[in-house]
Amino acid sequence: AQSVTQLDSQVPVFEEAPVELRCNYSSSVSVYLFWYVQYPNQGLQLLLKYLSGSTLVKGINGFEAEFNKSQTSFHLRKPSVHISDTAEYFCAVSDPGSSASKIIFGSGTRLSIRP
Amino acid sequence: EAGVVQSPRYKIIEKKQPVAFWCNPISGHNTLYWYLQNLGQGPELLIRYENEEAVDDSQLPKDRFSAERLKGVDSTLKIQPAELGDSAVYLCASSYRGLAGNTGELFFGEGSRLTVL
Repeated sequence: AQSVTQLDSQVPVFEEAPVELRCNYSSSVSVYLFWYVQYPNQGLQLLLKYLSGSTLVKGINGFEAEFNKSQTSFHLRKPSVHISDTAEYFCAVSDPGSSASKIIFGSGTRLSIRP
Repeated sequence: EAGVVQSPRYKIIEKKQPVAFWCNPISGHNTLYWYLQNLGQGPELLIRYENEEAVDDSQLPKDRFSAERLKGVDSTLKIQPAELGDSAVYLCASSYRGLAGNTGELFFGEGSRLTVL
């Protein structure tokens, strides 16, 4: 079964600094990968997804992620963060094919932005 | 277009009492999910529906939890009786699964926060 590891439970950064949130998944022949964001007291919303093709995926709000098959990673990056990026970020994985509807989430990384 | 609607947003009950949560998915979405989210944790799948059929309920504690999705649209998740450890946020999500499968984009509601005293 697929699993996702987010090694950093919290990441504090200063405003306008770059940030990287790490995500590793258990190996499989092929995977779909996602990053979701959860703002306080809200549900999750999709930031970006990798299904196939280019390994560099761009999402909303200036975020991007790179799929690295050899390292089984899908790290999320932003070159310059804003106070409004304060939220919880979840990496998720699913197997393509008949079970693609089963999506497994990591434990989350809380991004806190300091002015 | 309306998003996924959940109610109630907040519920406080005494232990051993029953509680029910309701979810209305996005129109046309045939797949519906109930997730459990504990404080500081990621969502954990409880049950997944494809139309009105529960295709994955392996993580649903069936001794006290039940769910239904009549007519393949709205869904209700029930806990009876509730225990202290059930305090959490219950998230509903929906997606569209076509002939090519599911691309994995879930649309979440705002969640129902349960506190069991």
